[in-house]
Amino acid sequence: DAGVIQSPRHEVTEMGQEVTLRCKPISGHDYLFWYRQTMMRGLELLIYFNNNVPIDDSGMPEDRFSAKMPNASFSTLKIQPSEPRDSAVYFCASSPGSSEAFFGQGTRLTVV
Amino acid sequence: SQELEQSPQSLIVQEGKNLTINCTSSKTLYGLYWYKQKYGEGLIFLMMLQKGGEEKSHEKITAKLDEKKQQSSLHITASQPSHAGIYLCGAPRGGNTGKLIFGQGTTLQVKP
Repeated sequence: DAGVIQSPRHEVTEMGQEVTLRCKPISGHDYLFWYRQTMMRGLELLIYFNNNVPIDDSGMPEDRFSAKMPNASFSTLKIQPSEPRDSAVYFCASSPGSSEAFFGQGTRLTVV
Repeated sequence: SQELEQSPQSLIVQEGKNLTINCTSSKTLYGLYWYKQKYGEGLIFLMMLQKGGEEKSHEKITAKLDEKKQQSSLHITASQPSHAGIYLCGAPRGGNTGKLIFGQGTTLQVKP
């Protein structure tokens, strides 16, 4: 398996634009996580899914953030409208539930 | 305040020296994960500890979980430039879901 695949690796966008981050988890993993990493706040869990169903979205900062998992092999994190303070590295991770989480390479988002 | 506190926040050592990174929890740990991250990349799983007093080693890295299960340490023997990066400890929250909360990370530099 190629591991968790995220796209794009880098995204630069203007304030107010919509941004969509994509993730393909490892096949067979029932859990999918979206994390955000910043210098100030470290690595924060935004939301996680179990069998494509959102279980805990308490980490989602605002209504501008939304996440979906239409099927077992794909998830998106959308920010609309984006703001400069959303600039961060966004990680997707997946897990079979009984062991460690496997992380993607991340998407570095810059909002100017 | 952070639920997981790591110390030190950053560390610079001379190649060949030993070093220790600590991770302290405000709650009993029902597992403790150590990950390593290189700048601009995703997190790589190192080790997982579950039992009080447990110790695991991989190459020159040893991790321990104390008997009370509230503190873990990561020890690197004879450090090398390849050990440089950010070390993060993570604790499971939410049973066997793979959902982790993380410490702020410890940045390690190894001078040749």
